[in-house]
Amino acid sequence: EAGVVQSPRYKIIEKKQPVAFWCNPISGHNTLYWYLQNLGQGPELLIRYENEEAVDDSQLPKDRFSAERLKGVDSTLKIQPAELGDSAVYLCASSSSSGSTYEQYFGPGTRLTVT
Amino acid sequence: AQSVTQPDIHITVSEGASLELRCNYSYGATPYLFWYVQSPGQGLQLLLKYFSGDTLVQGIKGFEAEFKRSQSSFNLRKPSVHWSDAAEYFCAVGAYAGGTSYGKLTFGQGTILTVHP
Repeated sequence: EAGVVQSPRYKIIEKKQPVAFWCNPISGHNTLYWYLQNLGQGPELLIRYENEEAVDDSQLPKDRFSAERLKGVDSTLKIQPAELGDSAVYLCASSSSSGSTYEQYFGPGTRLTVT
Repeated sequence: AQSVTQPDIHITVSEGASLELRCNYSYGATPYLFWYVQSPGQGLQLLLKYFSGDTLVQGIKGFEAEFKRSQSSFNLRKPSVHWSDAAEYFCAVGAYAGGTSYGKLTFGQGTILTVHP
């Protein structure tokens, strides 16, 4: 079974530029998560989707961050404009609400550097 | 709100030695607890999880963890460490969000494990 796919793996941009990250979850997983991981820290949830609905976006800085999950499959996280403090790793995870696995499967992440 | 504390930022052990990584959590209800491992440049891989039942849980790669409700702890152990175990380890607690979804995971700060030959 293919895992969670994220692209790009690395991105370097100048501040004030826009950037987008893409995530393809594991097939059949209806729940999708975006996490932010700063250097030396554990991941922190940005947004959680159940199918195409964002059910928890309380930690998403909505002035510059946006996300979408069209058709309840792939998801895109966007930052516009990027700031120096946005340099971090952005992780995508997915899980299935069927059965009782309760497990979140993580992608490799996108490492963003803002200069 | 839930929280997780990993008191040790960095631990160094010799190959073949035993290992214990500490994790303390704060959560008002029955916790769902996890240990993940992250190698450099990689995503997080689930080592083991605790939902209910036996408080000693076995995971992959020879790891185990013990849930102690009275101490609000979920420490990770391995009897004999291999050089390939060098990585960063994260403890996490899951919040129940209804149905079969545990919502979000709250992670600790992580513990970096260095293994000496």
